[in-house]
Amino acid sequence: SSELTQDPAVSVALGQTVRITCQGDSLRDYYASWYQQKPGQAPVLVISGKNNRPSGISDRFSGSTSGNTASLTITGAQAEDEADYYCDSRVNSDKHVVFGGGTKLTVL
Amino acid sequence: EVQLVQSEAEVKKVGESLKIACKGSGYSFTSYWIGWVRQMPGKGLEWMGFIFPSDSDTRYSPSFQGHVTISADKSINTAYLHWSSLKASDTAIYYCARNDPFDYWGRGTLVTVSS
Repeated sequence: SSELTQDPAVSVALGQTVRITCQGDSLRDYYASWYQQKPGQAPVLVISGKNNRPSGISDRFSGSTSGNTASLTITGAQAEDEADYYCDSRVNSDKHVVFGGGTKLTVL
Repeated sequence: EVQLVQSEAEVKKVGESLKIACKGSGYSFTSYWIGWVRQMPGKGLEWMGFIFPSDSDTRYSPSFQGHVTISADKSINTAYLHWSSLKASDTAIYYCARNDPFDYWGRGTLVTVSS
C-alpha cells in the first residue's frame, strides 16, 4: 500500500508534549518528512530525514521512526504550534511521493 | 535566498485551458526536483507530480496522470502546471515546492473554475 495514515485531530495542553503519528508501509523503506501548515499559509518543512530540523525551526520539534510508523513530537507545545501537520514519504521505488491526510493540532 | 514565486490567482470557466507558473531563484534550478501539490478547499495536501528541470524527467501521481501536464523551461528557471480542459473540481490552491524533501514552497496559486 502507498498510503500514509494520520489521526485527523489531536489536542495538547499548553506546555505539554504531544506526539503526532503517521503510518504506512513505505516508512519501512523511506523516512517521513513533516510539514506544518497554518490557516491561509503555505506548508513549512519542520522535520526531514532521520531527525533533521531546517534552520529556524524550533528545537521543540523532533522526529523518529519505528517500523511502519513515523512520529513528530512537540515538546512543550506553544500556542503558535496550533496548526495542521502533514507527513510525506517517497513510495514506488522512490519515483513518487505520498502525503498523509493531515492532523489538526489544537493547543488547549 | 531561495524563492519560488508563483503566478497570480486565476478565475476560469469549465473547459478552458490554463497554465500556471513557478519561478525559482536563489539556487541552482536545474539541481532539484520541483513538485506540484494540490490543496482543495478545506482539504489536505495531494502530491500531483514533479519535474527535474535539468532533463525534464517528469513523474506523475496516478491520480493526476493524464489530467495535467508538468513542464519546465530551465532557461528562465520556471516550472509550469498545465490543464487543457478545466473542470469545476480543479478549483483549489496549487503549490510548487522544491524537493526532496519539500524544503521551500511557493505561496500558492488559487485556481477557481466556474461553470
